[in-house]
Amino acid sequence: DGGITQSPKYLFRKEGQNVTLSCEQNLNHDAMYWYRQDPGQGLRLIYYSQIVNDFQKGDIAEGYSVSREKKESFPLTVTSAQKNPTAFYLCASSFRTTGDYGYTFGSGTRLTVV
Amino acid sequence: RKEVEQDPGPFNVPEGATVAFNCTYSNSASQSFFWYRQDCRKEPKLLMSVYSSGNEDGRFTAQLNRASQYISLLIRDSKLSDSATYLCAVNTNAGNNRKLIWGLGTSLAVNP
Repeated sequence: DGGITQSPKYLFRKEGQNVTLSCEQNLNHDAMYWYRQDPGQGLRLIYYSQIVNDFQKGDIAEGYSVSREKKESFPLTVTSAQKNPTAFYLCASSFRTTGDYGYTFGSGTRLTVV
Repeated sequence: RKEVEQDPGPFNVPEGATVAFNCTYSNSASQSFFWYRQDCRKEPKLLMSVYSSGNEDGRFTAQLNRASQYISLLIRDSKLSDSATYLCAVNTNAGNNRKLIWGLGTSLAVNP
């Protein structure tokens, strides 16, 4: 079955560590997105990519980095520069870059700083 | 004014009730509209796309009012399992950087 897979489901990070969240899709979608959601809050866009080897900053890109070397993969690195990284991270993809067909989400990664 | 706004609720309704949510948007050129459902600690899942003519899927009806720039979601005969947060999403229609803008969600609790 086609879908979008995020791993790991839960991740614990020590202060000062970089961690990378995985996002893989086999839907042949062009665009991919990373969102952060804090308890009781809405979705905030971190980065998005409309094509391989290209990506744009979203509203809260500071302290994060991404790459898009393959169409299927869009990993997110949470760097030590991100001061408050504890949150629920959601990856999404869409068939076209225009959002006209909606987004499909992965099941998310819950990151906690310990 | 925010680009996409929703009443956060919570809406508390008894089983069997009819409940409606609205979502207003600011960009009159927006072309695509969606309702998503998000359960607690889960990812959002597409509930319905919203078409100009309105659309219905079982107990759920979505409508678009372009003149007043809002979309609506009507749930008839509410079930306990309808309890969730309902997110609306609107595309920005801003050239090559078009993407969905999300409301903060409306919380629904259906009570026995």
